[in-house]
Amino acid sequence: DAGITQSPRHKVTETGTPVTLRCHQTENHRYMYWYRQDPGHGLRLIHYSYGVKDTDKGEVSDGYSVSRSKTEDFLLTLESATSSQTSVYFCAISEWGGNTEAFFGQGTRLTVV
Amino acid sequence: SQQGEEDPQALSIQEGENATMNCSYKTSINNLQWYRQNSGRGLVHLILIRSNEREKHSGRLRVTLDTSKKSSSLLITASRAADTASYFCASYGTGNQFYFGTGTSLTVIP
Repeated sequence: DAGITQSPRHKVTETGTPVTLRCHQTENHRYMYWYRQDPGHGLRLIHYSYGVKDTDKGEVSDGYSVSRSKTEDFLLTLESATSSQTSVYFCAISEWGGNTEAFFGQGTRLTVV
Repeated sequence: SQQGEEDPQALSIQEGENATMNCSYKTSINNLQWYRQNSGRGLVHLILIRSNEREKHSGRLRVTLDTSKKSSSLLITASRAADTASYFCASYGTGNQFYFGTGTSLTVIP
């Protein structure tokens, strides 16, 4: 596997609480992505980053925010978790955006109760 | 949504047979990529085909691309039990975003 680590790998949280997921890479790739995977929907992009402090929204960004203060770390925050945010979250990296392959982390299974 | 679709949603074949899965996408692309996901794991890149290419091979994988129909197909020849996984296409056009399809679940029966 490429050097991508997601933490935590599993988390159960209560509705209304803030949650932060972390993605750490050791590949020095410029682009980092957060996806969520739900049955019947495949993977949908939440936010992505194209450099330190440079981020943009994906197609399902409502209720999520991100930050990238260092090349190696990309944080995804659920400001106030809802049950609809129960999902498996994947971080991915790529060297040159969509012109090159993406490498995926192992995923974080988040349950909001 | 700009999400693509794979067809069929599920496919079950005997070991040694060929598996074909199709992908449709919605916008103009620079390239299209195929990924495999084993149960409970992250996605793994298989192959990338650029918009000016019509066919590409990698080992037992053969990918075709028809930009006029906005479709692609992935053929896995001489399938093995280890090929059991979900397969996703991802289209890349503008905006630095990959748009993934909904996936095909392949089961190869030993």
